[in-house]
Parts: sequence; C-alpha cells; structure tokens
Amino acid sequence: DAKTTQPNSMESNEEEPVHLPCNHSTISGTDYIHWYRQLPSQGPEYVIHGLTSNVNNRMASLAIAEDRKSSTLILHRATLRDAAVYYCILRTRAGNEKLTFGTGTRLTIIP
Amino acid sequence: GAVVSQHPSWVICKSGTSVKIECRSLDFQATTMFWYRQFPKQSLMLMATSNEGSKATYEQGVEKDKFLINHASLTLSTLTVTSAHPEDSSFYICSAARTGSLSNEKLFFGSGTQLSVL
Repeated sequence: DAKTTQPNSMESNEEEPVHLPCNHSTISGTDYIHWYRQLPSQGPEYVIHGLTSNVNNRMASLAIAEDRKSSTLILHRATLRDAAVYYCILRTRAGNEKLTFGTGTRLTIIP
Repeated sequence: GAVVSQHPSWVICKSGTSVKIECRSLDFQATTMFWYRQFPKQSLMLMATSNEGSKATYEQGVEKDKFLINHASLTLSTLTVTSAHPEDSSFYICSAARTGSLSNEKLFFGSGTQLSVL
C-alpha cells in the first residue's frame, strides 16, 4: 500500500480555517485520496475524497497538488465539534480493498 | 445515508468468557466487511477482512481461532472474541463496503465496541 505521512497533531482557533496536510509521494495513478476523521470514542466517518481535481463538499474541501504527491484537507471554519483525529488514506482501484490507517493528525480546537 | 450498526457499544466480561460483536449494514448489502482493533491513543489496526459466504482473511499476527469471524449474510458480520483475557480489552470497530463499490466510494463504519475484560 502506498503510504501517507501526516503531522501528529495540530491546533487551531475556533471559527478559523484549518489546513491539514498529507504527503503521499509514492501515490500511483489510480489511487484515490480519502480523508476520514474519528471523533472520540466513535468509529471513523468519511470526510471527502478526490483523484486529481480539488473537491468541495459540505464538510470540507480537498486541495490536491498538481503532481498528486500531497494534499490538504481544508476545514473552512473550525468548530469545537471538529476536534478529532483526521486520517489521510490512499485507496487503490478495487473498491473492496481494506483501508489502512496511519497515525493521523489529532486536531485540537481552541475556544 | 448508509448506516452501519454495531452492537453492543460496550461490554464488560470476565476473563475466560467469549464475547460476540455484531456488525450490520442497515440499508445496503456488504459483500465485504472489515474488523479493526484500536488501543488507546493509537490508530486503527486491521484484524481481518470478512467476505460473505467464505472464510475471513486475517492479518498477520491475528489469531483466527481466538477472533472468530462469521459473515453469513450480506448484511451481517460477527466477531467473537473467544476466551477473552485482559489484554484483549480494546475498542473494536467494523466497517462495510457496499457490494460492487469502487475505490472512489467511501467505507461506512460502525460506532465501535469497547470491550473490557476483567
């Protein structure tokens, strides 16, 4: 599996934007970039995914570098409910392949 | 949206007993389900991949006779921790992939089961 690297932790002030980086220098052409987050004592939940183009949804935006070796998850206006561990994961073409979780980034929101 | 229901959400048992955890996909069929284990402050570790109608595929280091997985239908997979010991205390999480899904589709996760073995 292609690996990803993320900072262990980040802090952000409430109501400010948050940019969570992810490096995936060994990504292959068919790998999708997925982001999941895990709130305390819960299972992970899907945030967003993309292949080449930037993506937006109601939860976040995903900015993908032109060479696809890195990406950034953007939370436009962080709230206390966004405090979680954010995982950047690569998925290969087969949809039933497992998700391999790295260490993720623990995001702390400061009121 | 699609929902994965996991029960129980927490369980306390005595050492030596067995515990069964259920994972159900409520509004979609899941040919494949995944079971993860998570220790405090650590990431999720995949234990096994469960395929409907066939034997589960276990990750290296996971004892298949201790962690029994059954995936008898397209909406239900169960994980049984046999002869549980305190070191098996952990947060167990299941995940389901919609049948026929591609890599550009998301996985759905249960809310997890906190197992405490006394």
